[in-house]
Amino acid sequence: EIVLTQSPGTLSLSPGERATLSCRASQSVSSSNLAWYQQKPGQAPRLLMYGASSRATGIPDRFSGSGSGTDFTLSISRLEPEDFAVYYCQQYGSSPPRFTFGPGTKVDIK
Amino acid sequence: EVQLVESGGGLVQPGGSLRLSCAASGFTFSSYSINWVRQAPGKGLEWVSFINTSGGSISYADSVKGRFTTSRDNAKSSLYLQMNSLRAEDTAVYYCMRVRSGGYLDYWGQGTLVTVSS
Repeated sequence: EIVLTQSPGTLSLSPGERATLSCRASQSVSSSNLAWYQQKPGQAPRLLMYGASSRATGIPDRFSGSGSGTDFTLSISRLEPEDFAVYYCQQYGSSPPRFTFGPGTKVDIK
Repeated sequence: EVQLVESGGGLVQPGGSLRLSCAASGFTFSSYSINWVRQAPGKGLEWVSFINTSGGSISYADSVKGRFTTSRDNAKSSLYLQMNSLRAEDTAVYYCMRVRSGGYLDYWGQGTLVTVSS
């Protein structure tokens, strides 16, 4: 079973700064099967990135994703007030279908 | 507009049962696999189950296997989660969401809260 680890656990930054979030898998993951989600308090998660580097519909271009194998990164180029939230990475395995989430990184206001 | 609306949550005693429903609209329900994912209070996301388009392929997290059963009714555009032998650790908000090729989850419901407590 693949385990996802996210770091840091909490990232304290100011609006306008760059955020870099890491997601590491215990074994190699297909980039096609790696996604990122954003969750704000009291809300359902929202899809941000899929296929490691493709932005979901309506996601601004300050969000970008990269990586391959076991190391993946979500970057937010300039933090806006609405970007302060928890971010989860997720991978998919197909035989049998299984989904794994990382523990999340909280981006909060410094 | 794609919508997924969960219902059926509530307070149940340990060992009890509950059936959650997820009503889908705004897309061709029968063409998409669907997941259940849960989130315990203050905790992260945990995948619960997957069901493919026909219901012929179903998988569960080890934590719920043998206790939970997922099914779907494509004629009613609805998904169900039968939860038996509930435990305190099953307390969570339960979300249904649409699964896309590559395993990403593009639309989520707002969730329904299940509380297991005596």
